Amino acid sequence: GAVVSQHPSWVICKSGTSVKIECRSLDFQATTMFWYRQFPKQSLMLMATSNEGSKATYEQGVEKDKFLINHASLTLSTLTVTSAHPEDSSFYICSARQVTEALRGQYFGPGTRLTVT
Amino acid sequence: GQNIDQPTEMTATEGAIVQINCTYQTSGFNGLFWYQQHAGEAPTFLSYNVLDGLEEKGRFSSFLSRSKGYSYLLLKELQMKDSASYLCAVKGTSGTYKYIFGTGTRLKVLA
Repeated sequence: GAVVSQHPSWVICKSGTSVKIECRSLDFQATTMFWYRQFPKQSLMLMATSNEGSKATYEQGVEKDKFLINHASLTLSTLTVTSAHPEDSSFYICSARQVTEALRGQYFGPGTRLTVT
Repeated sequence: GQNIDQPTEMTATEGAIVQINCTYQTSGFNGLFWYQQHAGEAPTFLSYNVLDGLEEKGRFSSFLSRSKGYSYLLLKELQMKDSASYLCAVKGTSGTYKYIFGTGTRLKVLA
């Protein structure tokens, strides 16, 4: 089955620093990847849609200059949290859509837990 | 606006049957998904409905009524490992492939 990986699985960083999270589709090409944020005991909130070779589309209220998304290839998208603050601490999950989308929908990565101190 | 509602929490007993409801109001509809998510893990796919009716898959079944904007996930023969959050997600207007997630239902299965 389709596998999506994320790296790192968890990261702790100091306030003001930047953190890059990678999302890879391991055995399929993903023209579209999605980045979600999930706070404790809450559901997934879509942050942005990442399309290979073009600019990401951000959801309302998400700062594009703070959450930089790059989708340089059909198997890799990166999310960089710039100048991180404690309120950015969250569980970040990516998902990928296969070109020939199966009825299983999006394939989710295992998530990255970010803690900003 | 777009809105997907689920009960926040449910509790059931091992071996029982539980039904988790989801109502939605979205600008478009191209299918409804149910995902299971254990704490600290990514969601895993359970079911997909695009036409009205019941889809059965082992212990899990999902029902959809598009005219009512309503779906439910039915879990039979509950096991302790079914304790998790269950997320309802609607695939919106075609062309965007965006999913809108419901608030999620935390299910606790008691022995």
